[in-house]
Amino acid sequence: EAGVAQSPRYKIIEKRQSVAFWCNPISGHATLYWYQQILGQGPKLLIQFQNNGVVDDSQLPKDRFSAERLKGVDSTLKIQPAKLEDSAVYLCASSLGEGGRRSYTFGSGTRLTVV
Amino acid sequence: DQQVKQNSPSLSVQEGRISILNCDYTNSMFDYFLWYKKYPAEGPTFLISISSIKDKNEDGRFTVFLNKSAKHLSLHIVPSQPGDSAVYFCAARSNNDMRFGAGTRLTVKP
Repeated sequence: EAGVAQSPRYKIIEKRQSVAFWCNPISGHATLYWYQQILGQGPKLLIQFQNNGVVDDSQLPKDRFSAERLKGVDSTLKIQPAKLEDSAVYLCASSLGEGGRRSYTFGSGTRLTVV
Repeated sequence: DQQVKQNSPSLSVQEGRISILNCDYTNSMFDYFLWYKKYPAEGPTFLISISSIKDKNEDGRFTVFLNKSAKHLSLHIVPSQPGDSAVYFCAARSNNDMRFGAGTRLTVKP
């Protein structure tokens, strides 16, 4: 099966600019996650979708971050305006269902550098 | 808050020897634990998991041990191979909430 696809792989922007990341999960995976991984830290959940509905966005900085999952398949994560501390790898993951004994399948991530 | 901790940022072992990676957690509601492996420029990939009702799970060269009373789990790799060199993340789940440790970079020397 094809993996989780993410684009772009790398992005460099200036602070206060906006940026968007795209994720295509594994076909049939109902649950989609966006994680932020800052250098030297573990991945931190930003938002979780179940189909096209938001399950958990408690750690999403909503003043500048937004995400959507139209039609319950692809998802986009946007940052507007970006800050220096947003420099990180943004990982998308998907799984078959909500909860349960499921491991997640991660994409390769988008490395964002804000200068 | 760091509910999952990996206190060793790095570990170096000789090829053929045992690698032991450790992880501690604070939330007693976690009921499922996973280890992920990450190579540079790639996303984490699932390695092995264990339910809280077990204390050991083995898959080939990889074994995960869980000590619930100590809120501690460990990953054993025997024998270690150079291809095992990667960053290993411990993760713990409670319902829909999965938390990751900061990772341990394992280097296996030939």
